Amino acid sequence: EAGVAQSPRYKIIEKRQSVAFWCNPISGHATLYWYQQILGQGPKLLIQFQNNGVVDDSQLPKDRFSAERLKGVDSTLKIQPAKLEDSAVYLCASSLVLLAGGWGAKNIQYFGAGTRLSVL
Amino acid sequence: TQLLEQSPQFLSIQEGENLTVYCNSSSVFSSLQWYRQEPGEGPVLLVTVVTGGEVKKLKRLTFQFGDARKDSSLHITAAQPGDTGLYLCAGLAWDKIIFGKGTRLHILP
Repeated sequence: EAGVAQSPRYKIIEKRQSVAFWCNPISGHATLYWYQQILGQGPKLLIQFQNNGVVDDSQLPKDRFSAERLKGVDSTLKIQPAKLEDSAVYLCASSLVLLAGGWGAKNIQYFGAGTRLSVL
Repeated sequence: TQLLEQSPQFLSIQEGENLTVYCNSSSVFSSLQWYRQEPGEGPVLLVTVVTGGEVKKLKRLTFQFGDARKDSSLHITAAQPGDTGLYLCAGLAWDKIIFGKGTRLHILP
């Protein structure tokens, strides 16, 4: 079974530029998550989708970040314009069902390898 | 705001030693997960604990969920160099998942 695919693996941009990340979840996974992991910290959830609808985007800085999941499969995360503090690894994850809710063995999220963003 | 505190932040021990890392919160979670993350990779789920007081074993790793579902521990017996990595705990509430900052573990051969 193919895992969660993310691209690019690395991106270097200057502040105020725009950048986009792409994620292809595991086939059949209804739920998709974007996380930001700053060096030395744990992942911070930015947004979660259930199919093509947003479940939670309360921690997404909406003045500069946007995400979409058209057709309920692939997703893109965009930053426009980027700031120095956006330097981080952006992780995408997918799961069969929403994590909260106690679905037992289906309650697993699988992570991609991430995109490392450096903003200069 | 729910927070998960992990301790220690860093741990470097000799191969064969035992160790325990902790994950604490003032909030109650419906379940708690432990992940291991290696450089350049995403986190990989090790275990999910759901019931207060629950203990799960995964080979040399023992995970425990606190009775009040606010804290958890991970104990590794006879650590090996292959155990090296970043260990993250994550608390799941009804509609949230919150990660701790992780414990970076280094096992010296």
